[in-house]
Amino acid sequence: QVQLVQSGAEVKKPGASVKVSCKASGYTFTNYYMHWVRQAPGQGLEWMGIINPNNNNNTNYAQKFQGRVTMTSDTSTSTVFMELSSLRSDDSAVYYCARGMTTVRGWFDPWGQGTLVTVSS
Amino acid sequence: EIVMTQSPATLSVSPGERATLSCRASQSVYSNLAWYRQKPGQAPRLLIYGASTRATGIPARFSGSGSGTEFTLTISSLQSEDFAVYYCHQYDNWPGTFGQGTKVEIK
Repeated sequence: QVQLVQSGAEVKKPGASVKVSCKASGYTFTNYYMHWVRQAPGQGLEWMGIINPNNNNNTNYAQKFQGRVTMTSDTSTSTVFMELSSLRSDDSAVYYCARGMTTVRGWFDPWGQGTLVTVSS
Repeated sequence: EIVMTQSPATLSVSPGERATLSCRASQSVYSNLAWYRQKPGQAPRLLIYGASTRATGIPARFSGSGSGTEFTLTISSLQSEDFAVYYCHQYDNWPGTFGQGTKVEIK
């Protein structure tokens, strides 16, 4: 079955960077876009960006995260990565990867289990 | 950016009863709308896409309707696992946007 497994929880200090991984299985990795969505405690869902796993240069980031986020992929391990730099306390959230469609627009299915990132001094 | 507005924010329903959730788009998204359920401590799960098509493995008690700017998710008979938060998501206009969620709680 299609499955996305994310890396474990992280605790970071303000100003640091965090890199979250998302390993895909059960489908042809390069055929589907991958999205990243985050959820602050008690809040809703916030789209961060999208990557075409077949081409690391094919990314699109939400304006809010431009300059701080980098999404990459490793086709040899069917893994996508999301790195967020210059962390602030309001970046504390659960970060999800979610498989998109074969085109940039579409619904998300499935989602990874989430990675809790805590930013605290 | 299209703004998605869900109502009500919280819905109190007894087990076995029907729940009706609404989602409104600030401009037409045609039928390019999905619904997700998020149980506490879990990731969202796709329920409906294309406004009315149930995702694989989703039981028939879930139904979606609407097009354009007005959408509805109906749960015909609430089960214990349905007490959760529900999000609508438009993917017609780039970038896709989510509603703020409707929490379905036990009455």
